This record gives sequence, structure tokens and C-alpha cells, in this order.
Amino acid sequence: GEDVEQSLFLSVREGDSSVINCTYTDSSSTYLYWYKQEPGAGLQLLTYIFSNMDMKQDQRLTVLLNKKDKHLSLRIADTQTGDSAIYFCAETNNAGNMLTFGGGTRLMVKP
Amino acid sequence: EAEVAQSPRYKITEKSQAVAFWCDPISGHATLYWYRQILGQGPELLVQFQDESVVDDSQLPKDRFSAERLKGVDSTLKIQPAELGDSAMYLCASSLAGANYGYTFGSGTRLTVV
Repeated sequence: GEDVEQSLFLSVREGDSSVINCTYTDSSSTYLYWYKQEPGAGLQLLTYIFSNMDMKQDQRLTVLLNKKDKHLSLRIADTQTGDSAIYFCAETNNAGNMLTFGGGTRLMVKP
Repeated sequence: EAEVAQSPRYKITEKSQAVAFWCDPISGHATLYWYRQILGQGPELLVQFQDESVVDDSQLPKDRFSAERLKGVDSTLKIQPAELGDSAMYLCASSLAGANYGYTFGSGTRLTVV
């Protein structure tokens, strides 16, 4: 079955880059995703990457995918205090009809 | 921008009572999901609908949980009787078809069982 692992916590200073890492198990995942959750809110889709890509950039966000190692990362450039949230990595299942989420990484941005 | 609507936003209930949550997906979204998110953890799938049919409810504790989407639009998730361990955020999500391109989540219902 699918299993997604993330580190629990990351603390950075405002203006620095943040890198949040994720490992997954299902090599057949077609898409991999990053979601953001602010306190007391639902999950917001930040970005996703197709499994045949190595990198995707979207403004301050860069997603890197190492399919061989089943490793996904999210880099946030020029991290702002508003980026403080929990970030979830997710992968699709074999059938492509549901997502399995990691436990989330809490990003704390210090001014 | 279209949203997934959920209500209530917060619910406090005593254990052994019945509780129900409602979700209205984005118009036209055929696939609807209910996830449970325990504090400090990632969301876990409870049930998935395609139109009015259940696609996957293998993780739904069927002795106390039930879900329906009678007309293939909005959906209700019920717990009866509620237990202390059911305290969590219940998230509804929808998509046009399947999981590709991701889901859109609602704001969730935070349930506290006392």
C-alpha cells in the first residue's frame, strides 16, 4: 500500500529558503502533490508534479522529484511569516482516484 | 472562486450521542471524499463517492459511521454513537474525476466529543 513520510518540524528565518522533504512508496503514482494547511483550516493545493518530471517551478515554489529514490521536496524561496503552516505531501494510489497524505511538516518562520 | 462548503464549522457532542456533518461539493464535481484528520496527523480517507455510489469505504468504521450521497450532489457523514476517539477534523473534498490534478478541500468540521 501507499505510505508517505515527512519530517515533523522545520524552523527558518524570514527571507531564508525553506526545504520540506517527503518520501513515498508507491512508484506507480502518477502525480505528487503539496498541500498547505493553516491553523483551523482545510487543505489548500499549492502545486503538483507529474511523475515524468524532475522539477517544477511556480513563483517562489520549486518542486524537485527524484523518482529513483522516491523523494519529493518543496523549496520555498524568500520565506515569509505568512508561509508558516503545515505542509502535506501526497501521492495518488494505483488507480489514480484517491490521495494518500503524509503526516505533515510544520513550518515555523521567525521574523 | 468555487468552494466546497461544509457545516457545521465546529461541533461539540457528548459521547454516545449522534452527530452529522454536511458537505456540498463544487458544482459538477462527480467525486466526493470524506477524510478524518486527527490532531497532529495527516488526513486519512474514510469514504469516496463517485456520483451517488460508494467507491471505497474500506476505512470507514461501519459499526458507527455511515455516509450517503443520495442524489450525487451533497453528502452527509454520520456518527452514532460518538466516542471520545472520534474527536478530529472531518474534511470533505471534491474533484471533477478522480485524484489527478488534486482535490479541493472544504474548511472542515472540527468535532470534539466530551
